[in-house]
Amino acid sequence: QVRLQESGPGLVKPSETLSLTCSVSGYSITSGFYWGWIRQPPGKGLEWIGSISHSGAAYYNASLKSRLTISVDTSRNEFSLMLTSVTAADTAVYFCARFGEFVFDFWGQGTTVTVSS
Amino acid sequence: SYQLTQPPSLSVYPGQTATITCSGDKLGEKYASWYQQKPGQSPVLVIYQDTKRPSGIPERFSGSNSGNTATLTIGGTQGMDEADYYCQAWDRTTVAFGGGTKLTVL
Repeated sequence: QVRLQESGPGLVKPSETLSLTCSVSGYSITSGFYWGWIRQPPGKGLEWIGSISHSGAAYYNASLKSRLTISVDTSRNEFSLMLTSVTAADTAVYFCARFGEFVFDFWGQGTTVTVSS
Repeated sequence: SYQLTQPPSLSVYPGQTATITCSGDKLGEKYASWYQQKPGQSPVLVIYQDTKRPSGIPERFSGSNSGNTATLTIGGTQGMDEADYYCQAWDRTTVAFGGGTKLTVL
């Protein structure tokens, strides 16, 4: 069974960088598929952040692209998210998920990130 | 960016059929998927590639996609189906989610 687990700080100060990691178990990232990040602000809907392949080919949400970097570490079987210059609007639950056959079929439990001083 | 539009809410009585729509430009030419999300939980895939059900999803969940509209149908809705439902599509290099529909089982 594929399992994903998000980790990272739950509180980030405005203007600083949000960094999260998704650890994958039960499946090797190098075996294929894309791996993505999705977020959900409090009381709102899902927003795709971006996705990356095991080789590092990445697709980003255009609205976040200037602040966003998604990377993959195949030796650790994990992938990461960095979002710079955060504001309160970046406060959300952040999910990582496997993207295959045009869908997110396995999801992490999500991690809450609050942007506040 | 590609936009998907869903009705914000839908209410049905137990046993009735719930139909949730998702509209997008030429959506029928893309694969549509649907996710169910209950409060405090991660989304769960219930329909993919327009009509397919993942293992473990009840048969009462079905989907269709044609023209500009994809539809999720829940036949014989049960109380456990009360949740938020999101459609999703892949357009070129972009993933789009609909705004979500809150399904209330009265």
